[in-house]
Amino acid sequence: KAGVTQTPRYLIKTRGQQVTLSCSPISGHRSVSWYQQTPGQGLQFLFEYFSETQRNKGNFPGRFSGRQFSNSRSEMNVSTLELGDSALYLCASSGGQSLDGYTFGSGTRLTVV
Amino acid sequence: AQSVTQLDSQVPVFEEAPVELRCNYSSSVSVYLFWYVQYPNQGLQLLLKYLSGSTLVESINGFEAEFNKSQTSFHLRKPSVHISDTAEYFCAVNSGGYQKVTFGTGTKLQVIP
Repeated sequence: KAGVTQTPRYLIKTRGQQVTLSCSPISGHRSVSWYQQTPGQGLQFLFEYFSETQRNKGNFPGRFSGRQFSNSRSEMNVSTLELGDSALYLCASSGGQSLDGYTFGSGTRLTVV
Repeated sequence: AQSVTQLDSQVPVFEEAPVELRCNYSSSVSVYLFWYVQYPNQGLQLLLKYLSGSTLVESINGFEAEFNKSQTSFHLRKPSVHISDTAEYFCAVNSGGYQKVTFGTGTKLQVIP
């Protein structure tokens, strides 16, 4: 079956702009989690959506937001981009239970200039 | 609260030598433990997981990890590494229910020919 698809793979934006990243989970998976990965901070949890509802949220400012659609596809949005937002953004899907483990997408590499 | 500590940021090892990547966790409740591997320019892949039962879990490519509750550890081992094992390895913990997964900061395994 198809894996987790993230689009786009690479993105270059200017400070102050906004960006929307997309994630299509594995068919049948209802949970989508987003992580920010940077060399200094490792993987930082952004939020998790399950059946269109935000179930968990990390410690990121309100500029970071997300949503999930009825087909389980998810988007995350970052407004008013800052240089420090440059990172690899990873989407992970699961069946929704703790013991499932995640299936990750290849990520979107965002560069803010 | 749950946390994961990977003390070694980089581990160089010669090909065909054994390796151990260390992981210690902290949680006030019972846990599920995971190891993920990330190859360059890719997302993370689930390597193995401990949910319950036997404390020794194995992956299909020769890695194994042992859950040690008294030492709150979940170290990853391989008796003989190959060049293709060069990657970054992440330990992760989940406290069950609908809690988020917390990742360690990763250990880069460099296999030297």
